[in-house]
Amino acid sequence: GNSVTQMEGPVTLSEEAFLTINCTYTATGYPSLFWYVQYPGEGLQLLLKATKADDKGSNKGFEATYRKETTSFHLEKGSVQVSDSAVYFCALSDREEKLTFGTGTRLTIIP
Amino acid sequence: GAVVSQHPSRVICKSGTSVKIECRSLDFQATTMFWYRQFPKQSLMLMATSNEGSKATYEQGVEKDKFLINHASLTLSTLTVTSAHPEDSSFYICSASPGQGHGVYEQYFGPGTRLTVT
Repeated sequence: GNSVTQMEGPVTLSEEAFLTINCTYTATGYPSLFWYVQYPGEGLQLLLKATKADDKGSNKGFEATYRKETTSFHLEKGSVQVSDSAVYFCALSDREEKLTFGTGTRLTIIP
Repeated sequence: GAVVSQHPSRVICKSGTSVKIECRSLDFQATTMFWYRQFPKQSLMLMATSNEGSKATYEQGVEKDKFLINHASLTLSTLTVTSAHPEDSSFYICSASPGQGHGVYEQYFGPGTRLTVT
């Protein structure tokens, strides 16, 4: 079956630090990969996605590259801001279009 | 746009009672809605998929008689936890999709409902 393993949190960084949140996956087919973000008190929002190998998804300064050889989709941002504090979920979907989520990583950015 | 609300945001009920959670798409019509459950420090687990006007499709291991799902309109789906027990305490999240063929990335998520059964 499908599964997603992501870096456990919480992660605390200073403003303008470099961010990496690791995500690896196991899938029987050729999945699409996603990062969702959940800000306090809000629902999950799609942050970025990639649908095939070597694709790079990007949004709001965040990037993640679909690495088929390492089955990874690590989230990166070069300079984080306080407003990036949230919970980040890595996820995949297969042909059935069902989402499989990782456990979430809570990120806190301190000024 | 694409806002999904859930009500209530928090609910505490006694063991043996039933509780209903509503999920509404506020500015679009949702042909398909999904219900997830999340335990502390664990993934969101898909419980069921509901299509407007038809019976919900439950994931393996989810008791359909315990978790009743109704998707009576294109903007409302409800999840009723019947005869709740403390082990049903969890965070329940819904999502809504504008329709088939739009792709899974068109799921829009509600903020979740925290259920505590005492």
